[in-house]
Amino acid sequence: AQSVTQPDIHITVSEGASLELRCNYSYGATPYLFWYVQSPGQGLQLLLKYFSGDTLVQGIKGFEAEFKRSQSSFNLRKPSVHWSDAAEYFCAVVGYSSASKIIFGSGTRLSIRP
Amino acid sequence: DADVTQTPRNRITKTGKRIMLECSQTKGHDRMYWYRQDPGLGLRLIYYSFDVKDINKGEISDGYSVSRQAQAKFSLSLESAIPNQTALYFCATSDGQGGGYNEQFFGPGTRLTVL
Repeated sequence: AQSVTQPDIHITVSEGASLELRCNYSYGATPYLFWYVQSPGQGLQLLLKYFSGDTLVQGIKGFEAEFKRSQSSFNLRKPSVHWSDAAEYFCAVVGYSSASKIIFGSGTRLSIRP
Repeated sequence: DADVTQTPRNRITKTGKRIMLECSQTKGHDRMYWYRQDPGLGLRLIYYSFDVKDINKGEISDGYSVSRQAQAKFSLSLESAIPNQTALYFCATSDGQGGGYNEQFFGPGTRLTVL
């Protein structure tokens, strides 16, 4: 069965520091992977997605993610975080029969230290 | 105006009551979804619909039902609410073109509390 694991429940980084949020997936074929962000009191917004091609994917708000098949990972990175990046981040993979049924990880809450 | 709207935004109800959550979208998408979000569990799919005549159960459909009244409207009902249905509920839409691996657009959520 397909699954997504986000091992870090809560991360705190200082403003201006670099960020990496971890995501591991389990899927029998080439996955379709997503990162979503949920700001407090808001719905989810797509940051970036990987379908195929270049394994380094650029997204909105200065985020990027790298697909590593050998490690079954799709980690999210940002070189310098801003206070406005404080939010919850969800990694997701398209499910077994696909057709847009996305399976979400449990989320990582990001706090920013002034 | 928001592309995906949900009503109500907040609701407190009592055990055993019937409640309906509504979702409307102006994106023209044919696919609509209902999720619930619980702390530490991420989002779990309740039901999804690929067009007006198509309704499918998701991961956690027990205790829920849905109605796709039109392409733009997808309602979620709790026939007899129970406290463990207290959660944040999200509606989402996506375009069915291009093989279906398309971004889902989310509404702002409905916070439901069952006492």
